[in-house]
Amino acid sequence: KAGVTQTPRYLIKTRGQQVTLSCSPISGHRSVSWYQQTPGQGLQFLFEYFSETQRNKGNFPGRFSGRQFSNSRSEMNVSTLELGDSALYLCASSRDSLETQYFGPGTRLLVL
Amino acid sequence: AQSVSQHNHHVILSEAASLELGCNYSYGGTVNLFWYVQYPGQHLQLLLKYFSGDPLVKGIKGFEAEFIKSKFSFNLRKPSVQWSDTAEYFCAVNGSLNKFYFGSGTKLNVKP
Repeated sequence: KAGVTQTPRYLIKTRGQQVTLSCSPISGHRSVSWYQQTPGQGLQFLFEYFSETQRNKGNFPGRFSGRQFSNSRSEMNVSTLELGDSALYLCASSRDSLETQYFGPGTRLLVL
Repeated sequence: AQSVSQHNHHVILSEAASLELGCNYSYGGTVNLFWYVQYPGQHLQLLLKYFSGDPLVKGIKGFEAEFIKSKFSFNLRKPSVQWSDTAEYFCAVNGSLNKFYFGSGTKLNVKP
């Protein structure tokens, strides 16, 4: 089985711009979760989608949004980028929320 | 709210030394517990998990963890570490509301 894939792998943006990150889960997995990983904060949960519906949301501002398509692929959007948004954004998929999560390689975002 | 604490942020060991990484969580209900590992330049990957049953669980590469419910702990152990165990280790808990909570991670550096 192919693993979780994320595109792009690296991204450089400037403050005020917006960005869209993509995640393709493992075939058969319907749950997709997004995390922000930074050296100081570790992994912080952004949100989880299941069958095209957002089921859970972390404590991030509304600039962070996402969606999931009927094929379970998910996108995450960050608008009005700030310097502090520079991080590794990880996507994880699982059959359901309580199942083991499998992580993608991440998208490293640098905001200048 | 749930939280996960990993008290050791950075551990340095010599090869063949024994390892124990602490993980404590705050949640009174039923939990699923995980340890993930991130080798340098690689994805996060599952090391082991506990859902129910025997509180001593064995994972890949000789790792094991013991769930002690009364102490809200899920410590990771390995009797004899190798240089290839150099990585960052994350404890995670999945309980209420189907959210995953990760600890801040422990960086393990094994000296050859």
